[in-house]
Amino acid sequence: KQEVTQIPAALSVPEGENLVLNCSFTDSAIYNLQWFRQDPGKGLTSLLLIQSSQREQTSGRLNASLDKSSGRSTLYIAASQPGDSATYLCAAPTGGGNKLTFGTGTQLKVEL
Amino acid sequence: EPEVTQTPSHQVTQMGQEVILRCVPISNHLYFYWYRQILGQKVEFLVSFYNNEISEKSEIFDDQFSVERPDGSNFTLKIRSTKLEDSAMYFCASRVTGMRQPQHFGDGTRLSIL
Repeated sequence: KQEVTQIPAALSVPEGENLVLNCSFTDSAIYNLQWFRQDPGKGLTSLLLIQSSQREQTSGRLNASLDKSSGRSTLYIAASQPGDSATYLCAAPTGGGNKLTFGTGTQLKVEL
Repeated sequence: EPEVTQTPSHQVTQMGQEVILRCVPISNHLYFYWYRQILGQKVEFLVSFYNNEISEKSEIFDDQFSVERPDGSNFTLKIRSTKLEDSAMYFCASRVTGMRQPQHFGDGTRLSIL
């Protein structure tokens, strides 16, 4: 059974700081891993999908890495801005139908 | 860019009533999913659907739940007799064929059971 853990649970940083969010998963037989952003009371916005054959995937100020052998993924946010404040979720697919198992998320607050 | 659309955005229902949540997946997608998120908790998988049948379901998805693709565009989740603990945000997702393809999510329906 896939279990996904995210640390830290919450993070507060000053604007401009670079930061790293961590995600670990127990079943490394995954094809890919997705990172999402969720604003309070809102839906899930897909940020990055990193395939198991890739080590990194970049989109703007975001960079995700994946290490299947250690069961870890990181999301790096460069030069954080107040608009980055949200909860960040990682999700790993399992099973033949590729259902996603989500972590509990990291709640990020970027302060002016 | 094509989107998954969900209606309504917020549904308020009396306990014991039936509710149907609606989703329109992206048109060329073949795999469909429902997830839910109880306030303050993880997003949880409910059910996956392919080729007009359920391919996998979680323990949460008991006899009170059902899914249907009544036509070529809609994908619905029905809860027969709602309970207070069914209050949650329900997300629909879809993807194309291929295990490496991402799931695309709708904005969710907030279900409030009174």
